[in-house]
Amino acid sequence: DSGVTQTPKHLITATGQRVTLRCSPRSGDLSVYWYQQSLDQGLQFLIQYYNGEERAKGNILERFSAQQFPDLHSELNLSSLELGDSALYFCASSVGLAETGELFFGEGSRLTVL
Amino acid sequence: DQQVKQNSPSLSVQEGRISILNCDYTNSMFDYFLWYKKYPAEGPTFLISISSIKDKNEDGRFTVFLNKSAKHLSLHIVPSQPGDSAVYFCAATNSGYSTLTFGKGTMLLVSP
Repeated sequence: DSGVTQTPKHLITATGQRVTLRCSPRSGDLSVYWYQQSLDQGLQFLIQYYNGEERAKGNILERFSAQQFPDLHSELNLSSLELGDSALYFCASSVGLAETGELFFGEGSRLTVL
Repeated sequence: DQQVKQNSPSLSVQEGRISILNCDYTNSMFDYFLWYKKYPAEGPTFLISISSIKDKNEDGRFTVFLNKSAKHLSLHIVPSQPGDSAVYFCAATNSGYSTLTFGKGTMLLVSP
């Protein structure tokens, strides 16, 4: 158990819909990261928050947005969903900025868009 | 453009033998390299890392080798055990930025 909690574990929805994925980082961790793993793809970095502020942005679509709340939990919002958005979405956390790359990952939220 | 490449989608090894997983990268700015292990229905977990100032790092049965001139790293598992069966992701970072670039992963199957 990494200490990172993601909900929901599974989500099935239709094209055009909007969903919200939630992440609670490990106790004491200030950084939250979102990664997407599509079929046959590695983990693609989406976005990072540190202590409530956006820190880094990767290949995140404009239809996607995220935020980190004062209690440090984070939400990833996916809107106008397309079939290609079906993927495993991982949240990870670290104490600080994890310059050496050691992150703690949750179990992921599997999104299926029909 | 894939900056971190794992060209072998899968690898099968017998228990007790050596497993060698390979990874290539293209970005010269990467200065820290990591291996993560992932079991089904779980998130990736950190396994071992190496800084670009080193060429080898060992942790028990796991050793990572870095060849900077070839932009290549490898993970050696000796001896391999059935419990090592998992997907192994190679990752790299520029330590000034703290985000990881992952390869697509190699599925290792260790048979008894």
